[in-house]
Amino acid sequence: QVRLVQSGVEVKRPGASVRVSCKASGYSFMFYGISWVRQAPGQGLEWMGWISGYTGDTKYSQRVQGRVTMTTDTSTRTAYMEMRSLTSDDTAVYYCARVDTAASEPKFDFWGQGTLVTVSS
Amino acid sequence: SYVLTQPPSVSVAPGQTAKITCGGNNIGRKNAHWYQQKPGQAPVLVVSDDSDRPSGIPERFSGSNSGNTATLTISRVEAGDEADYYCQVWDGPSVHVVFGGGTKLTVL
Repeated sequence: QVRLVQSGVEVKRPGASVRVSCKASGYSFMFYGISWVRQAPGQGLEWMGWISGYTGDTKYSQRVQGRVTMTTDTSTRTAYMEMRSLTSDDTAVYYCARVDTAASEPKFDFWGQGTLVTVSS
Repeated sequence: SYVLTQPPSVSVAPGQTAKITCGGNNIGRKNAHWYQQKPGQAPVLVVSDDSDRPSGIPERFSGSNSGNTATLTISRVEAGDEADYYCQVWDGPSVHVVFGGGTKLTVL
């Protein structure tokens, strides 16, 4: 079965960077992309961007463009999301989700369990 | 940028039908997807491409999309359906995924 397993809780100081991983299993990794979605405490879902599992092409939301880098390691079937220059506004649960980046109307059919990132001085 | 509008909350008695709306400009021309999120858990896709149900999702969950409104319908509501529900579309012009603000479903 499809599984996405994310790395553990992170606590960071303002101005620091964080890298969250997402290990995929149960499907052909290169046939799908991985998207990242975050959720601030008590708030809704915010799409951050995605990376194609086949080409490595990325698309970022305007809000995080320039601060986020999404990568994949096909040998370990793992996707990574790195965010720099963290502020308290980045405190959130970060989810990875499987997506067909070539679809005309993409959707997220499987999700990781989420990684809590807390930014605090 | 494209905006999706959901009611903050919907309440329904057990056994009744819940309808959760998602408003957007000509959303009927897009494919709407719906996610269920229970407290402390990751979202789960419950309806895709307006009205398709992924494997394992009960038939009680259905969807429709026309004009400026997409609707998630939950028939014979159960206590276990209590959750936040989010709609989502792809906005081609901005090349962005858009989520609605979410609707909290309360089962009375």
